[in-house]
Amino acid sequence: DGGITQSPKYLFRKEGQNVTLSCEQNLNHDAMYWYRQDPGQGLRLIYYSQIVNDFQKGDIAEGYSVSREKKESFPLTVTSAQKNPTAFYLCASSIKQGDEQFFGPGTRLTVL
Amino acid sequence: AQSVTQPDIHITVSEGASLELRCNYSYGATPYLFWYVQSPGQGLQLLLKYFSGDTLVQGIKGFEAEFKRSQSSFNLRKPSVHWSDAAEYFCAVAFSGGYNKLIFGAGTRLAVHP
Repeated sequence: DGGITQSPKYLFRKEGQNVTLSCEQNLNHDAMYWYRQDPGQGLRLIYYSQIVNDFQKGDIAEGYSVSREKKESFPLTVTSAQKNPTAFYLCASSIKQGDEQFFGPGTRLTVL
Repeated sequence: AQSVTQPDIHITVSEGASLELRCNYSYGATPYLFWYVQSPGQGLQLLLKYFSGDTLVQGIKGFEAEFKRSQSSFNLRKPSVHWSDAAEYFCAVAFSGGYNKLIFGAGTRLAVHP
C-alpha cells in the first residue's frame, strides 16, 4: 500500500532535549511538508521541500530543522530552541507544489 | 494578505439533517481549493478539490462543494449527515505564484446528534 508513515505516534521528551520525528512516503512524491497543529489554529507550515537536497522555511521554522537526503524521507528535528514544542505534528507529500497533499497519521509530541 | 476563513468554529447538527460548512478566501485570482477532514488524533483526508471547470465538485463520503467566484467562497455541503461524519473539517487554498503555498483555515468542528 502506498502512503505516508510517521513515527512514533506519541513522543515524550524532557525540556531542553532535541527530538527527531520521522516521515516516510512511498508515493514517489517530489514535494514534502511539515505542519504543526495546535487547537483552534489549524495547520501552520514549518518547512517544505520541493525536491531532494532542497528545503525551504515555512511560516514557523524557528526552533526546527529538517533534511531531505532521500526522496522518500523528510525528518523533522525539534530543537531546544523551540519555545513551545508540545503540539501535533503532521507530515504531508504531494506530486508537486500546489497539488493536493496526502497526510500521514501525525505524531503527538509532549515536552515535559 | 492571502487568507482563508472558516467562520464557524463549532457546528452541531442532527443525524439526517443537511450540512453546510462555510469557507471564504482572500485572493485576487482563482486559487486551487480543497476540503479535508480530520478525525481526532488522525491525519487529514482529502474530501474534494477544485482546480478549474465545473464549479460544483463532488467528493467522497457524499460531500460536495461549490465554488462561487463572486463571493470568494467554497462551501462544503452534504444533504444528509451521518453520525460518522463527526470530525473536524478544514478548507485549504493554494495560491498561484511563488511556490503555490497551501493555506489552511482554522477548521470547523462538527458534532452530530443522534
